[in-house]
Amino acid sequence: NAGVTQTPKFRVLKTGQSMTLLCAQDMNHEYMYWYRQDPGMGLRLIHYSVGEGTTAKGEVPDGYNVSRLKKQNFLLGLESAAPSQTSVYFCASSPGPWGTEAFFGQGTRLTVV
Amino acid sequence: EDKVVQSPLSLVVHEGDTVTLNCSYEVTNFRSLLWYKQEKKAPTFLFMLTSSGIEKKSGRLSSILDKKELFSILNITATQTGDSAIYLCAVENFGGAGNMLTFGGGTRLMVKP
Repeated sequence: NAGVTQTPKFRVLKTGQSMTLLCAQDMNHEYMYWYRQDPGMGLRLIHYSVGEGTTAKGEVPDGYNVSRLKKQNFLLGLESAAPSQTSVYFCASSPGPWGTEAFFGQGTRLTVV
Repeated sequence: EDKVVQSPLSLVVHEGDTVTLNCSYEVTNFRSLLWYKQEKKAPTFLFMLTSSGIEKKSGRLSSILDKKELFSILNITATQTGDSAIYLCAVENFGGAGNMLTFGGGTRLMVKP
C-alpha cells in the first residue's frame, strides 16, 4: 500500500546547489502534480503532468523543471536553489482529471540556506 | 487569474461548538470543488462537490456548493479536538494542458478542550 512516495523527506541545500525530488506512485495514475506549501499560502501548483511524457506549467513554475519519463515517476528539479525555494513540497497523483480523488505524498521539507 | 479564497484564516473554538468554513472562487472552466483536511503532513480528501445545492455529508462534517454565487461552505458540528487541522478548499478547472487544482490559503482550525 505505498500510494504516493516522495524522496527525500528532508533536505538542506546551499544557495546555488541543484537537486531532484522524486515522486513515485504505484496506482497507475495518469495525472501527477507538484505543489509547494508556504505558511499561510495553501498549496500552489508548480508543474503538472497529464500523462507519461507530458508536462505543463502551473502557477509558480519559475526556477523548477520537471520530467515524466515513466508513468509512475514525476521528478522535480531545482537547477540553482534559492532561499525563496525554502518550502514544503507535495506531490500528488490522480487517476484522471481532478474530479476524482487525488492522493498526496507525505511531503519534502526543503531548506535553502 | 484563477483565485480561491478561504475565510476565516484561523479559528479557535471549544469542543462541542459548530463551525462554518468558507471558500469562494473565481476560475474559468470550473469542474469541481474539493475539500481537504491537513493535519501534520499530507492533505486527506474530505469531499468533492460538482452540483449546486446538494449537501455532501460525512459524520459531523457536511459541505455544500453554490455555483451561482461561486462559493462553498464546510460545516463541522459538535467539534472535537481531533478536528484541529488546516482545512483546504481546492477548485478543479480546465487549464491549458489539462485539469488543474487551485488551492485556497486554508483555514487553520483549533479546537480547545
